[in-house]
Amino acid sequence: NAGVTQTPKFQVLKTGQSMTLQCAQDMNHNSMYWYRQDPGMGLRLIYYSASEGTTDKGEVPNGYNVSRLNKREFSLRLESAAPSQTSVYFCASSDRVQETQYFGPGTRLLVL
Amino acid sequence: GENVEQHPSTLSVQEGDSAVIKCTYSDSASNYFPWYKQELGKGPQLIIDIRSNVGEKKDQRIAVTLNKTAKHFSLHITETQPEDSAVYFCAGGNTGTASKLTFGTGTRLQVTL
Repeated sequence: NAGVTQTPKFQVLKTGQSMTLQCAQDMNHNSMYWYRQDPGMGLRLIYYSASEGTTDKGEVPNGYNVSRLNKREFSLRLESAAPSQTSVYFCASSDRVQETQYFGPGTRLLVL
Repeated sequence: GENVEQHPSTLSVQEGDSAVIKCTYSDSASNYFPWYKQELGKGPQLIIDIRSNVGEKKDQRIAVTLNKTAKHFSLHITETQPEDSAVYFCAGGNTGTASKLTFGTGTRLQVTL
């Protein structure tokens, strides 16, 4: 039982490049989330998916898109990366009973 | 939307002392308040949570209190140990089809020998 996994662990992009961050969970959770973490700002919700087939914007969705591929996988896409998107990105999942969010190890993204 | 404020931003205590971290929230509809511990280079990990129908919850050396009237909740760690050194985040939100959370800005706790 791996919990929440994220790939890649670290990525360097040039301004304007695109990339997709991958997230998968093996806990059969219905809900999944993408956060970004910046120094002194805590974690901010980018997008979430309450259940398979649905996605909704969080606090800071601009510049990002998401896909809930199936119940296990939730990807985050940067179409045209900007230096302001340099951050650590965390994926999380939760079930409807406990509602506890379980986090992955994070992806560190540097946009030059 | 919800706004969660967390204090202090840094806290240094001696091993064996207690540590208290405080958070306030703005949305009276929030009903779920978890606390996360984040070690360097890792993702946040839940250490304790409390729901709005409970005033206090304890798990060994960790306790959380909630005052709904004043809209604040606190984390108490007793008999601190060096392995308690980490960044702690409070969060508040509404549960339902998805537990949308708003996080505080974090407290870096250092436990010194």
